[in-house]
Amino acid sequence: QKEVEQDPGPLSVPEGAIVSLNCTYSNSAFQYFMWYRQYSRKGPELLMYTYSSGNKEDGRFTAQVDKSSKYISLFIRDSQPSDSATYLCAPSLRDNYGQNFVFGPGTRLSVLP
Amino acid sequence: DVKVTQSSRYLVKRTGEKVFLECVQDMDHENMFWYRQDPGLGLRLIYFSYDVKMKEKGDIPEGYSVSREKKERFSLILESASTNQTSMYLCASTRSGGGRNTIYFGEGSWLTVV
Repeated sequence: QKEVEQDPGPLSVPEGAIVSLNCTYSNSAFQYFMWYRQYSRKGPELLMYTYSSGNKEDGRFTAQVDKSSKYISLFIRDSQPSDSATYLCAPSLRDNYGQNFVFGPGTRLSVLP
Repeated sequence: DVKVTQSSRYLVKRTGEKVFLECVQDMDHENMFWYRQDPGLGLRLIYFSYDVKMKEKGDIPEGYSVSREKKERFSLILESASTNQTSMYLCASTRSGGGRNTIYFGEGSWLTVV
């Protein structure tokens, strides 16, 4: 079993739809949970950061973490064509060097105008 | 604005050539990383460095080496490039210590080995 799993997609939705992106992980020691967005031929950039279980909202984006089921979600409301990108979930834990990040393979999202 | 800069965005090299990929960060971060990213395989860690002249192997170090002579600079070296090293290479950095840490990525270097 991979440490972090995501459905690779591609996921195609019409503009304005609510998008749900999901991620599961196996290591219960993960404490920090991030979502990165990666546009085509660009490096990943941080989108959301959550510590421990719960919800966090930022504009049209909501990150949800359920540590009991090792499940991470990202919701996008009123999706826009500019949201078309690959979304990587990245749980992490503290180690001797600072923080150890593990990246999921990413889900490719396409929002159609 | 924080920045991780990869000097070469697109390279084409021949099999057997020595390849240098350079990365510079301006955030005074202790930790620097090299990943490769391939379709369906996601990000795979090649090497990381937690201090000047220090390095640790990641998940796929074979065929690669690294150099960190200065805190802000981390180089990836392909001693003898092969076609299976055609990929996108991402440099990243993060600070060590407690508190919230975020990993910052460069724009990526697309390497084609022919």
